[in-house]
Amino acid sequence: DAGVTQSPTHLIKTRGQHVTLRCSPISGHKSVSWYQQVLGQGPQFIFQYYEKEERGRGNFPDRFSARQFPNYSSELNVNALLLGDSALYLCASSPGMQGYEQYFGPGTRLTVT
Amino acid sequence: SNSVKQTGQITVSEGASVTMNCTYTSTGYPTLFWYVEYPSKPLQLLQRETMENSKNFGGGNIKDKNSPIVKYSVQVSDSAVYYCLLGGCRNRDDKIIFGKGTRLHILP
Repeated sequence: DAGVTQSPTHLIKTRGQHVTLRCSPISGHKSVSWYQQVLGQGPQFIFQYYEKEERGRGNFPDRFSARQFPNYSSELNVNALLLGDSALYLCASSPGMQGYEQYFGPGTRLTVT
Repeated sequence: SNSVKQTGQITVSEGASVTMNCTYTSTGYPTLFWYVEYPSKPLQLLQRETMENSKNFGGGNIKDKNSPIVKYSVQVSDSAVYYCLLGGCRNRDDKIIFGKGTRLHILP
């Protein structure tokens, strides 16, 4: 079975630009979560979506937004990019919300110059 | 508020046993997960601990509880970063929290 897939693998953007990252969950999983992992640090929670609704949000500015589609895939959008947004963005899917393990994708490496 | 703390780095020799701690505080009824990160590979789930019993202790407030993971007879290939994740909380305000990770270094 296919695992969690993310696209693109790598991305280079300029300060002030906008970026969209995409995630396809494992078949049958209805929850998708997004994380930011800066080099050398642990992942930081950004959003969790379940059944197309936002169910949790981390401490990130409003420049970060996301949505989940009817097929449970998800997009993470970041506006007005800053140098500090350079990181590995991880997507994880799970069958449900509370108490379910999350399965992680390989991530999208975003570099902001 | 919820929090997770992990030891930064552990170095041991091959064949040893090692315990990595994860100390957390939670206001809900969380599930604690352990993940391992190998270079250039996705995070892999190692272990899961649910807090079913905590429901019997009124309020679900947990403070400084340790949920360790133990690895026996470690090999060089076990060298990686081990993260614990506090998730599955009841309230929307209970955010999913990763620890900062324990970097395990195994000497040959």
